[in-house]
Amino acid sequence: EDKVVQSPLSLVVHEGDTVTLNCSYEVTNFRSLLWYKQEKKAPTFLFMLTSSGIEKKSGRLSSILDKKELSSILNITATQTGDSAIYLCAAPRKGQGNLIFGKGTKLSVKP
Amino acid sequence: NAGVTQTPKFQVLKTGQSMTLQCAQDMNHEYMSWYRQDPGMGLRLIHYSVGAGITDQGEVPNGYNVSRSTTEDFPLRLLSAAPSQTSVYFCASSYLDFNSPLHFGNGTRLTVT
Repeated sequence: EDKVVQSPLSLVVHEGDTVTLNCSYEVTNFRSLLWYKQEKKAPTFLFMLTSSGIEKKSGRLSSILDKKELSSILNITATQTGDSAIYLCAAPRKGQGNLIFGKGTKLSVKP
Repeated sequence: NAGVTQTPKFQVLKTGQSMTLQCAQDMNHEYMSWYRQDPGMGLRLIHYSVGAGITDQGEVPNGYNVSRSTTEDFPLRLLSAAPSQTSVYFCASSYLDFNSPLHFGNGTRLTVT
């Protein structure tokens, strides 16, 4: 059965800390892995990682795909209170958009 | 550019009532889907559609119906609401392309008493 597992489920850090969020996957015919950030409302897209693009970076956020270990990490450096959110990891199953999501990591950044 | 629009934002139903959650997108996306989000369960796929006239079931389809008569609209119908359907519902859309991520609506918070 396809699955995506995230760890930890919750994390509390202080501003300026660096955090690493983990995502492991078992998906038939793996094509890509996606990261989303969810604040109060809708999840918003952060990164997509595929076989041809295993590392992505945007400002203080970066993500790496390890196809050998069937996992991905999301790094956030110099965290700010605005980084407080639920971070979701997902992989397509049986076709594009049919995403299977992990349960998310709730990140709380304290001032 | 409205993106994905969901209505209503909030809804309270009594057990046994029916209702329709509306979803519309203005990005000409072929793919649309409905997810529900429950504490500790993450996002779970209810139904999805790869184009007008085509729908399919996701992980948790029981108690819900969908139809896709136009590219823009993808309503979700609750046939006979149950307390177990209390949840936050998200509609999402994308191009039918593995390189295109999902765009989500802002969600509908549904409470069934």
